[in-house]
Amino acid sequence: KAGVTQTPRYLIKTRGQQVTLSCSPISGHRSVSWYQQTPGQGLQFLFEYFSETQRNKGNFPGRFSGRQFSNSRSEMNVSTLELGDSALYLCASSPVLRNYGYTFGSGTRLTVV
Amino acid sequence: AQRVTQPEKLLSVFKGAPVELKCNYSYSGSPELFWYVQYSRQRLQLLLRHISRESIKGFTADLNKGETSFHLKKPFAQEEDSAMYYCALTSRGSARQLTFGSGTQLTVLP
Repeated sequence: KAGVTQTPRYLIKTRGQQVTLSCSPISGHRSVSWYQQTPGQGLQFLFEYFSETQRNKGNFPGRFSGRQFSNSRSEMNVSTLELGDSALYLCASSPVLRNYGYTFGSGTRLTVV
Repeated sequence: AQRVTQPEKLLSVFKGAPVELKCNYSYSGSPELFWYVQYSRQRLQLLLRHISRESIKGFTADLNKGETSFHLKKPFAQEEDSAMYYCALTSRGSARQLTFGSGTQLTVLP
């Protein structure tokens, strides 16, 4: 069974640019959540999608957005990048209705210069 | 608001010694609690969750609602247990999100 796949693994962007990250959940998982991991703030929840609808959103500015497609794949977008957006972005999938713990991807390491 | 506190950033024990990683939480409802582990150069993975009451790799954790704690324990630590451990809490219901603690780096010394 394939795990959660995130692409790309690494990204370097310049301040002011925008970036799109992709996540393919485990087959059969309909919920996809995104987390930001930084040394200073730790793991912080960004948002969760289920059935192509955003179900919950963390405390991040509107520059952070996402979407989910009918095949449950998800993308997150960050516009007008700032240096502080440099982080590891983790995607996690879950069957959601069965109250399981999440399965995480390896993450996308974003560096903003 | 929900919060998870892991008071120890670093914890070192000798191989064969008991280990306890502390986790305290604050949440007004009835939470679901987890322990996640991240070994060096590996992805974050679920270690155990309180509702299943299972033991994984010799680790157990008991939910103490009176003390709002969910400490992770193992009677005899092994070197391969060295990793970063995160306690996490999620609300029940449809609006689920994981709130993580800041993590404890466990080092098991030979």
